[in-house]
Amino acid sequence: SQTIHQWPATLVQPVGSPLSLECTVEGTSNPNLYWYRQAAGRGLQLLFYSVGIGQISSEVPQNLSASRPQDRQFILSSKKLLLSDSGFYLCAWSPDRAKLFFGSGTQLSVL
Amino acid sequence: SQELEQSPQSLIVQEGKNLTINCTSSKTLYGLYWYKQKYGEGLIFLMMLQKGGEEKSHEKITAKLDEKKQQSSLHITASQPSHAGIYLCGADIKLGGDSSYKLIFGSGTRLLVRP
Repeated sequence: SQTIHQWPATLVQPVGSPLSLECTVEGTSNPNLYWYRQAAGRGLQLLFYSVGIGQISSEVPQNLSASRPQDRQFILSSKKLLLSDSGFYLCAWSPDRAKLFFGSGTQLSVL
Repeated sequence: SQELEQSPQSLIVQEGKNLTINCTSSKTLYGLYWYKQKYGEGLIFLMMLQKGGEEKSHEKITAKLDEKKQQSSLHITASQPSHAGIYLCGADIKLGGDSSYKLIFGSGTRLLVRP
């Protein structure tokens, strides 16, 4: 069966520090991968999606970047965090758009 | 403004009462998904609707997609405290003229069921 792992669960980082959130999927190949951010009162905002290795689409201009170095690995990064980067980040994968499976999320607090 | 409007933002009902959550878009929705997020946990997939007029039920939860595929409702019958949580609708909308889609979400509805 397929599983998705996302870590860390919580993270507290100072402003200006780098960020790396990792997401891996097991039990499937060539999944569509997504990074979402859940901001208060705004629901889930799509940040990046990837349909294959090295293929990244960005939905909104921001201080973040994403990379897919391996088929089942999706990384969300930042060189210098801003206060506004705080939020709940969710990684997700989809086999065929029929369903979307989410990781457990990362609560990021930038202080 | 949100591409997918969800209402109400919050809902408090007495146990045993029925309730409805709505999800509306000005664009055609090519797939409509309902999720539930329990407090402190991840998102749980509930149902997916694709065809206009489609209706699906699971236990006491029924979801419908209108004929125009621009509005969906989630109805809970005889609510229980276990139904409490945040309900999110998500939908596929087309990106431009090609066949690619993006998945967007509503802002969520926080449901509290009083025993």
